[in-house]
Amino acid sequence: EMQLLESGGGLVQPGGSLRLSCVGSGFIISYYAMSWVRQAPGTGLEWVSDISSSGDRRHYADSVKGRFTVSRDNSKNTLYLQMDSLRAEDTAVYYCAIVRWTSYYFESWGQGTLVTVAS
Amino acid sequence: QTVVTQEPSFSVSPGGTVTLTCALTSGSVSPSFYPSWYQQTPGQAPRTLIYNTNTRSSGVPDRFSGSILGNKAALTITGAQADDECDYYCVLYMGSGISVFGGGTKLTVL
Repeated sequence: EMQLLESGGGLVQPGGSLRLSCVGSGFIISYYAMSWVRQAPGTGLEWVSDISSSGDRRHYADSVKGRFTVSRDNSKNTLYLQMDSLRAEDTAVYYCAIVRWTSYYFESWGQGTLVTVAS
Repeated sequence: QTVVTQEPSFSVSPGGTVTLTCALTSGSVSPSFYPSWYQQTPGQAPRTLIYNTNTRSSGVPDRFSGSILGNKAALTITGAQADDECDYYCVLYMGSGISVFGGGTKLTVL
């Protein structure tokens, strides 16, 4: 069974940094493009970033471009999201997901990790 | 900036049929936007229902169907059940690697 497990969330001050991880189990992550999607408290889902299976192509939402960096280590079956210059509005549950670029949809989801940006 | 819009809320009677829609503030939704639909119960991760306009994800019952209705993507639920009461999100692919979620529809079954 494909499973994704996020970690690395927590409380960080505005302007600070945090790195999220997403470990895949039951499948080989290098076969898949991956995404990060977030959900601020009480609001809807927002696509954040995508990365190709090899890591050579990356895309970002305008709201995080220049501040967040997606990467992956296929040898560790792990996806990362480096978040710098964090703002209060980045407070959200962050989900990683397998994304299928053949039909541009999110196939499988992790359970999410909460990031809180506050002083 | 083009925004993806959904009905904020909808209600359906148990056993009834409901159609939720997904529209663009500018332009029409077509299959080239690869509409997909997700179901989310509060506090839980999203669940993938429909992709590529009308393809059901593995394990999704055929009570859920997707289509293009006029200039919108649509999710139709037939034979609504109590546990269908949750939030539903559509996603449209805008090109250049950018996906945009709709604001979500809160479905009430009563």
